[in-house]
Amino acid sequence: SSELTQDPAVSVALGQTVRITCQGDSLRSYYASWYQQKPGQAPVLVIYGKNNRPSGIPDRFSGSSSGNTASLTITGAQAEDEADYYCNSRDSSGNHPWVFGGGTKLTVL
Amino acid sequence: EVQLVESGGGLVQPGGSLRLSCAASGFTFSSYEMNWVRQAPGKGLEWVSYISSSGSTIYYADSVKGRFTISRDNAKNSLYLQMNSLRAEDTAVYYCARVRQVGATTFFDYWGQGTLVTVSS
Repeated sequence: SSELTQDPAVSVALGQTVRITCQGDSLRSYYASWYQQKPGQAPVLVIYGKNNRPSGIPDRFSGSSSGNTASLTITGAQAEDEADYYCNSRDSSGNHPWVFGGGTKLTVL
Repeated sequence: EVQLVESGGGLVQPGGSLRLSCAASGFTFSSYEMNWVRQAPGKGLEWVSYISSSGSTIYYADSVKGRFTISRDNAKNSLYLQMNSLRAEDTAVYYCARVRQVGATTFFDYWGQGTLVTVSS
């Protein structure tokens, strides 16, 4: 099946901007969606499609895509943004419907 | 309010079986595709299985194919995962997740709180 690759860990200073990336062949055909997961909690959708936020997600979260890379940007990171972030997309290989990235642990310093 | 509530997890011996349930409320369950996604302790998310809204189309991850069976009962607003021949590596929190489609984009818009399955002797 296709794979999505994420950096295992990223850090950002409080109030600064951070970009979390996701690479994979599927992203040439499909948009990524992004999920935030805090310890002991279920994942929460934060970005879907080209750059759409579900109701209740702060506008400091945004998404973008170019070629085989999707990005989640947090502009003005807050302490509460410290979490694991996962990308997800349809699997263009055709073997399975979906694939997840390995996740990125975001630390807000 | 959309709610997905998993149940049925627990401790089971290797080779044993378990049936997970996901009770849906707050939306027209029969109109939505559903998935099971799992997360082993300290690991990332892994897609496990998909079922279409009618139940006519089903997919499985290679890691569970032939051992797990996904099903749904639209009259009962419920999703199920029958897990047989369980292995230690199946130990994980299992989430049910609803699929939403907006244009050509599909994603998981609601997740349950998860149920823990532990496979150990």
